[in-house]
Amino acid sequence: DTGVSQDPRHKITKRGQNVTFRCDPISEHNRLYWYRQTLGQGPEFLTYFQNEAQLEKSRLLSDRFSAERPKGSFSTLEIQRTEQGDSAMYLCASSARMARAFFGQGTRLTVV
Amino acid sequence: EDQVTQSPEALRLQEGESSSLNCSYTVSGLRGLFWYRQDPGKGPEFLFTLYSAGEEKEKERLKATLTKKESFLHITAPKPEDSATYLCAVQAGVGANSKLTFGKGITLSVRP
Repeated sequence: DTGVSQDPRHKITKRGQNVTFRCDPISEHNRLYWYRQTLGQGPEFLTYFQNEAQLEKSRLLSDRFSAERPKGSFSTLEIQRTEQGDSAMYLCASSARMARAFFGQGTRLTVV
Repeated sequence: EDQVTQSPEALRLQEGESSSLNCSYTVSGLRGLFWYRQDPGKGPEFLFTLYSAGEEKEKERLKATLTKKESFLHITAPKPEDSATYLCAVQAGVGANSKLTFGKGITLSVRP
């Protein structure tokens, strides 16, 4: 169990630029989640994959956000035309079936 | 819509001073209630899962309990290293998505 890995840990970008984050889940976990956390708030659900299928997207996920999980392994979250309101910690989690979710250390995005 | 409310928002304790953190929830069909610990700049770390009213779980100085409307995280004789944000989350509803709905968290500071 090497844990959930996220890359990069920190990203500073200019408003209007596109950014992409990567998540490598625990290898035997078929479920993968993306959450967003802002200061003083708990994590908010963004999207969910079971294997390679994206089964649910939150209403929080605007058209500028897209996520993929090719071949049911790692996942990427892309934000196009970033806005200052996108500044947050982006957390990835994985789980096996209905078991507890393990979180990565997150990617801290700052949009300037 | 599932709702999770944690109180108080912040708690300052003297080392050895026991206390409880509260998590109230409103969900349709609770499947599990989770407690996580989060250190600054890190991802949430799993502590407990509770599934039914009356259930209790313990780990070192922490004990989690569950009723039909709320959960408590009791901290007995806390130490400075217990300082962190404690997050409560629920997993609810039917279907394959096992996403979590989080509260805002309780920031605990333990003074030596």
